[in-house]
Amino acid sequence: AQSVAQPEDQVNVAEGNPLTVKCTYSVSGNPYLFWYVQYPNRGLQFLLKYITGDNLVKGSYGFEAEFNKSQTSFHLKKPSALVSDSALYFCAVREHSWGKLQFGAGTQVVVTP
Amino acid sequence: DTGVSQDPRHKITKRGQNVTFRCDPISEHNRLYWYRQTLGQGPEFLTYFQNEAQLEKSRLLSDRFSAERPKGSFSTLEIQRTEQGDSAMYLCASSFADYGYTFGSGTRLTVV
Repeated sequence: AQSVAQPEDQVNVAEGNPLTVKCTYSVSGNPYLFWYVQYPNRGLQFLLKYITGDNLVKGSYGFEAEFNKSQTSFHLKKPSALVSDSALYFCAVREHSWGKLQFGAGTQVVVTP
Repeated sequence: DTGVSQDPRHKITKRGQNVTFRCDPISEHNRLYWYRQTLGQGPEFLTYFQNEAQLEKSRLLSDRFSAERPKGSFSTLEIQRTEQGDSAMYLCASSFADYGYTFGSGTRLTVV
C-alpha cells in the first residue's frame, strides 16, 4: 500500500526567506512522487514530479524538490518565497507509472510581506 | 483544448435528490480520474478510467455512486439519493501515460 505524510498543517514564512514543505512517503516499490498546489476554490495545479534520475527536481514557479530514498522524503523547496506562494500544497505518490495517486493531507503555506 | 473542464462549478441539492457531474478531459488524454476533496483534506481517489474501461473503484464509491466514460471521451459521475455527507468538492483529472495529472477546477456539491 502507498501512503504520504505531510507533518506540518501550516508553514509560515516571511517574503524573501526560504520555504520548505515536508513530505515523507511509503511504497512497496520505486516511488513516483508529485507536488501540487491549490488556490482557494480551484483545482490542483501540477508543480513537479520525480520519476527517476537526478534527485533534485526543478519545477514551475521556481520550486524544486529533493528526493531522498534513504529517508523516504520528497521535500518541496523555494529559495525565496513570494506572498503569491501562499496556498495549499499537496504531496502525492503512486507505486506504478500509471494509476491512482495517493495524496497527503496538505500543508497550508502562509507568506507574510 | 485549454485544460480539463468540469460542469457545473457549483451544485446545491436537497438531500435525497440525484445529481450528475460532467468532466471533459484534455482530448489526447486516455486516462481519467475522479477524486473527492473535503475541507482541510487531501483529494481521495474514487475511480479511474483508461479509455472507456473503468479500471479501479475505491471502497468510497458506494452503490449510490456511478461513473461512466462512454466512447472514452467525457465522463459523468452520478450520485443517487444524496446525503449530507456527500457534500464535497469533486475533482476530475486526466493524464496521458505516466505523465502528471491535469486537474479541472472541480464541482462543489452542497447537500442541504
